[in-house]
Amino acid sequence: NAGVTQTPKFRILKIGQSMTLQCTQDMNHNYMYWYRQDPGMGLKLIYYSVGAGITDKGEVPNGYNVSRSTTEDFPLRLELAAPSQTSVYFCASSYQGGEKLFFGSGTQLSVL
Amino acid sequence: GQQVMQIPQYQHVQEGEDFTTYCNSSTTLSNIQWYKQRPGGHPVFLIQLVKSGEVKKQKRLTFQFGEAKKNSSLHITATQTTDVGTYFCAVDYGGSQGNLIFGKGTKLSVKP
Repeated sequence: NAGVTQTPKFRILKIGQSMTLQCTQDMNHNYMYWYRQDPGMGLKLIYYSVGAGITDKGEVPNGYNVSRSTTEDFPLRLELAAPSQTSVYFCASSYQGGEKLFFGSGTQLSVL
Repeated sequence: GQQVMQIPQYQHVQEGEDFTTYCNSSTTLSNIQWYKQRPGGHPVFLIQLVKSGEVKKQKRLTFQFGEAKKNSSLHITATQTTDVGTYFCAVDYGGSQGNLIFGKGTKLSVKP
């Protein structure tokens, strides 16, 4: 099993550009999550999904959108990128809520 | 929103010294998880504590969950250079979705 796979690993965007961060998992996990990590600030939940077709906002959803059309995939869309979205983004999954999370390797995004 | 306090933020130790990080909540927790993130890496699950007063050991690592289920600690005996990284607690307050709230982490450096 590959686990949780994120692409790309690095990306530089100009202010106002859009992009999609891809995330896929092959563990048949029901729950998937997007976190952002800023230096010294821990991980903040952006969006999560409890199953295909169901998504919900986390702590910091503004400026982002998600979709969950399949169990495996959970892309994160950034519209009109802003410097405040410069961060490291982690996708994660778990079989059920409250269980241990499996993280992808992360995407380092810079918005200039 | 609900928050969890993790202390200290940084810890510098000499190899062979012990290390402890603490996680505190003002609200009773359903369970707590601990993760380790190596520099440049992604968080990796270490353990989950569920029962009041629970103590679990993994080699040199000892994890405790307080009797009131409001605090937890991770203790490393005789640190090694391989212990370097940031240790995060992640708490579950028992909401319907089981979302985890991450502490800001304790960054451990070990001087050989």
